[in-house]
Amino acid sequence: EAGVAQSPRYKIIEKRQSVAFWCNPISGHATLYWYQQILGQGPKLLIQFQNNGVVDDSQLPKDRFSAERLKGVDSTLKIQPAKLEDSAVYLCASGTNRGKREKLFFGSGTQLSVL
Amino acid sequence: SQQGEEDPQALSIQEGENATMNCSYKTSINNLQWYRQNSGRGLVHLILIRSNEREKHSGRLRVTLDTSKKSSSLLITASRAADTASYFCATDGLAGGTSYGKLTFGQGTILTVHP
Repeated sequence: EAGVAQSPRYKIIEKRQSVAFWCNPISGHATLYWYQQILGQGPKLLIQFQNNGVVDDSQLPKDRFSAERLKGVDSTLKIQPAKLEDSAVYLCASGTNRGKREKLFFGSGTQLSVL
Repeated sequence: SQQGEEDPQALSIQEGENATMNCSYKTSINNLQWYRQNSGRGLVHLILIRSNEREKHSGRLRVTLDTSKKSSSLLITASRAADTASYFCATDGLAGGTSYGKLTFGQGTILTVHP
């Protein structure tokens, strides 16, 4: 089966600019997650979708970050305006069913550098 | 916030040796999962152990879980150079809790296996 697709692979921007990341989960997966992974740390959950509804966005800095999942499939994560501390890898993951407590499938991530 | 704490932070061994990584967590869990991350890539699921299980095997992997001590260990036997990667534990919280339905990752252990 095809994996989780993310683009772009790398992005370099200056602080205060805007940036958007795209994720296409595995076909049929109901849950979609965005994680932020700062160098040397474990992934930190930003937002979780179940189909096209938000389940948890408690750790999403809503003053600058936004995310949507159109028609319960693809998702975009946007940062506007970016800060230096947003430099990280942004990982998208998907799963089959929140209730089953199954494993997550991760994309390769988008590495963001904010200068 | 990070739920799991891995120990050691870094581990360097020779090919053929066994590698043991430990994970401690703070709150009650539904299950605990281990993931591997190769440099510059996304995370790959290795194994899931439920809270009512004490030990689980998958190929050269052995995972133990002690819920009374809130700890888990991952053992990789007969390690290979290709096992070089970062290893993360992730916990899935109990229903009704604030971490229900989302994976919370630890800081990870960097494993280097020398040929």
